[in-house]
Amino acid sequence: DIVMTQSPDSLTVSLGERATINCKSSQSVLFSSNNKNYLAWYQQKPGQPPKLLIYWASFRESGVPDRFSGSGSGTDFTLTISNLQAEDVAVYYCQQFYSTWWTFGQGTRVEIK
Amino acid sequence: HVQLQESGPGLAKPSETLSLTCGVSGGSLNNYFWIWIRQTPGKGLEWIGHINYVGTTNYNPSLRSRVTISVDTSKNQFSLNLNSLTTADSAVYYCARRIPAAAGGGMDVWGQGTTVTVS
Repeated sequence: DIVMTQSPDSLTVSLGERATINCKSSQSVLFSSNNKNYLAWYQQKPGQPPKLLIYWASFRESGVPDRFSGSGSGTDFTLTISNLQAEDVAVYYCQQFYSTWWTFGQGTRVEIK
Repeated sequence: HVQLQESGPGLAKPSETLSLTCGVSGGSLNNYFWIWIRQTPGKGLEWIGHINYVGTTNYNPSLRSRVTISVDTSKNQFSLNLNSLTTADSAVYYCARRIPAAAGGGMDVWGQGTTVTVS
């Protein structure tokens, strides 16, 4: 398995400030044929299914606010929420689809200070 | 736009087989992967397996011996069978659509989820 490890498990950020979530994979998820990282980020609010935010590590899904951005390559990735809003309170997951079977990080809970 | 809806029993007994169906509306099964994922407080999000529109499957190795995913293009739906249930299979089960990896790879459409209790 490719193990996905997120840090921190939770963070508390003031409104308007920046939230940074890290995700580390146990092996590279960079697909050499197209130079794309096979990693996605999801947001999950209570009682709702996850919502796709970012694919290929840094490409924002249509309709996702531009305060969400993804970066990183290989084994180390970051999701940044700039100018945190109240509606961003959620649990965030990274997920790899490089290997034959797909795995998620354990999630990072973002709360407002 | 495409919508997914899970259906199936909310309660199952240990040793029995769970059967869930995901109806796809507003779009075709073609050209995508169709996923089953479950979520528990203890294990988080767990990919169960997926199938493409021609019926090629891939399963989580930890569940492979107990899982079957099938597709019915005539009904525009896909299904999950999980046998030999234990209480550890109690979870919220989601179906989802995945874009081919070459086009992004993310799971862009999800059902609302169905809670299954094994007891």
